[in-house]
Amino acid sequence: GDSVTQTEGLVTLTEGLPVMLNCTYQTIYSNPFLFWYVHYLNESPRLLLKSSTDNKRTEHQGFHATLHKSSSSFHLQKSSAQLSDSALYYCALSENYGNEKITFGAGTKLTIKP
Amino acid sequence: EAAVTQSPRNKVAVTGGKVTLSCNQTNNHNNMYWYRQDTGHGLRLIHYSYGAGSTEKGDIPDGYKASRPSQENFSLILELATPSQTSVYFCASGGEGYEQYFGPGTRLTVL
Repeated sequence: GDSVTQTEGLVTLTEGLPVMLNCTYQTIYSNPFLFWYVHYLNESPRLLLKSSTDNKRTEHQGFHATLHKSSSSFHLQKSSAQLSDSALYYCALSENYGNEKITFGAGTKLTIKP
Repeated sequence: EAAVTQSPRNKVAVTGGKVTLSCNQTNNHNNMYWYRQDTGHGLRLIHYSYGAGSTEKGDIPDGYKASRPSQENFSLILELATPSQTSVYFCASGGEGYEQYFGPGTRLTVL
């Protein structure tokens, strides 16, 4: 079946430094949807970014990610971390044939310090 | 107004007892999902539904049943709760473009 790997469970950064959270995936389908969901403390998880287009940069709320099918990757980046970015980030995958079932990675807890 | 709500928000149950977690959505989405969230495992799919009357097994269905009596409501049932089912449970509804909308979560403790 599908799988999503997030290599870092915990990431701690100083405010102002760049953010990069890694995500790689495995699927037998050639046209998957990739997502980043963000889960702030005491809130519900919500969608941050999504893409199904190879080599196209997707941006939202200062974050960006590019789907690279050649390397099965969808890393999340931000040029300058803010204290408010502290949250749990999930990379996720859906097979693009209509069943809307999503497979989530284990998550990366991002903590931004002053 | 919240489009996906869950009840109860917190629940303490005894081992061997029956637990029912309820979810209601006003998004008019066909698809609904139940996940559990555990550190190191992320969000894992337990059951999902394509519409009223349908339930499908997710990735970790053992020990759980689901019921979808209507478009709006989706329940997760633990017939014989065990301590290993202590977790935070999230319900979600699925919109177009594969985006899912999550509820606030239910923290379940099984003693």
